[in-house]
Amino acid sequence: SAVISQKPSRDICQRGTSLTIQCQVDSQVTMMFWYRQQPGQSLTLIATANQGSEATYESGFVIDKFPISRPNLTFSTLTVSNMSPEDSSIYLCSVEAGGGETQYFGPGTRLLVL
Amino acid sequence: AQTVTQSQPEMSVQEAETVTLSCTYDTSESDYYLFWYKQPPSRQMILVIRQEAYKQQNATENRFSVNFQKAAKSFSLKISDSQLGDAAMYFCALVVGGSRLTFGEGTQLTVNP
Repeated sequence: SAVISQKPSRDICQRGTSLTIQCQVDSQVTMMFWYRQQPGQSLTLIATANQGSEATYESGFVIDKFPISRPNLTFSTLTVSNMSPEDSSIYLCSVEAGGGETQYFGPGTRLLVL
Repeated sequence: AQTVTQSQPEMSVQEAETVTLSCTYDTSESDYYLFWYKQPPSRQMILVIRQEAYKQQNATENRFSVNFQKAAKSFSLKISDSQLGDAAMYFCALVVGGSRLTFGEGTQLTVNP
């Protein structure tokens, strides 16, 4: 398994601003993932971040809105840019570890945009 | 494309009783992995159990076990001796080699004392 931390755990932001969420894992991992969970809904994958390459975005998500960095094998950031109230969600990072394509999740970042 | 369906938005169980959560999925691949995750009010996603499609034996983890029916594309979760701490949203999920994790819509489990 893997131990994952996220910062911040929650934030309240004004529309039009940006927030950067950090994800730190206690071991080196190849693949890291960023998900969004809108209120009352399931998880939706935003993008896959591999170290040393550009992130791969899912349909409906673009780099200008959700830029991702992956500077090393234990760390990644997701920025939510030019926020609107529709961006109010929980954002979770996960890593693939332990074999069998198993993903372990961080505690999430609760974002409220006013 | 893969799909995962959880037909029970809500379930309830009495403490110490057994409950089964349903999940069906669809994929054209023969090699894949299935998971159940638990999400308590803290919103942390916690891995409950994992099943490899190539294994016929059903996975078990303490009070949690699955009934994996590959031909029927069914993957139900049985929780025995339910405890108050089992109350959470439960998500069924599927991953096919190299692709993204596909989640169901979730089942909210209530445990009554």
